[in-house]
Amino acid sequence: EVQLVESGGGLVQPGGSLRLSCAASGFTFSSYWMYWVRQAPGKGLVWVSRIKRDGTNIRYADSVKGRFTISRDNAKNTLYLQMNSLRAEDTSVYYCTRSGDGGGFDIWGQGTIVTVSS
Amino acid sequence: DIQMTQSPSSLSASVGDRVTITCQASQDINNYLNWYQQKPGKAPELLIYDASNLETGVPSRFSGSGSGTDFSFAISSLQPEDIATYYCQQYDSLPITFGQGTRLEIK
Repeated sequence: EVQLVESGGGLVQPGGSLRLSCAASGFTFSSYWMYWVRQAPGKGLVWVSRIKRDGTNIRYADSVKGRFTISRDNAKNTLYLQMNSLRAEDTSVYYCTRSGDGGGFDIWGQGTIVTVSS
Repeated sequence: DIQMTQSPSSLSASVGDRVTITCQASQDINNYLNWYQQKPGKAPELLIYDASNLETGVPSRFSGSGSGTDFSFAISSLQPEDIATYYCQQYDSLPITFGQGTRLEIK
């Protein structure tokens, strides 16, 4: 079964750090561009970051640039998001997703909740 | 950034009705437009990619059309399981942006 499973979310104080992981299975992880998308409570979808198949061509949304770092380990079939200097406005469900052959985000994880609060 | 303006923001319709949602981009996005369905507490699901292509396994009552800056999404005969929020998304240029969503309810 093609699957993405996120982990690493939780409650963190403002200014703190978290590392999210996304484990891929059922497909050749190294063949796909990967993305992080987030959704604040009751709000819409917001693109966060992307990374090319080989770990290059990394881009970030302006709102997280300089604070978040995306990476991947193709040997472990895992995508990461290191989040530093967290703010209340980073509170969201974070989804990992892949770009399918047709260009849309065709596989999504179940999401992991990040809450930034004192 | 490319702004995606989706309308309506909410919609109430009866089972069997035809439902249409529109999405307008602030500039030409070369048909790099996708549509997603999101049910409460769940991850989004891809329905339509590249404006008009039905994702594998998606029922044929869903369709997409349009080009340039103006796009539409339709459900030909609304079913109870179609209750969800629908989003358009452009990937012509970064940052990737989504419409604000259309919440679909059963009348």
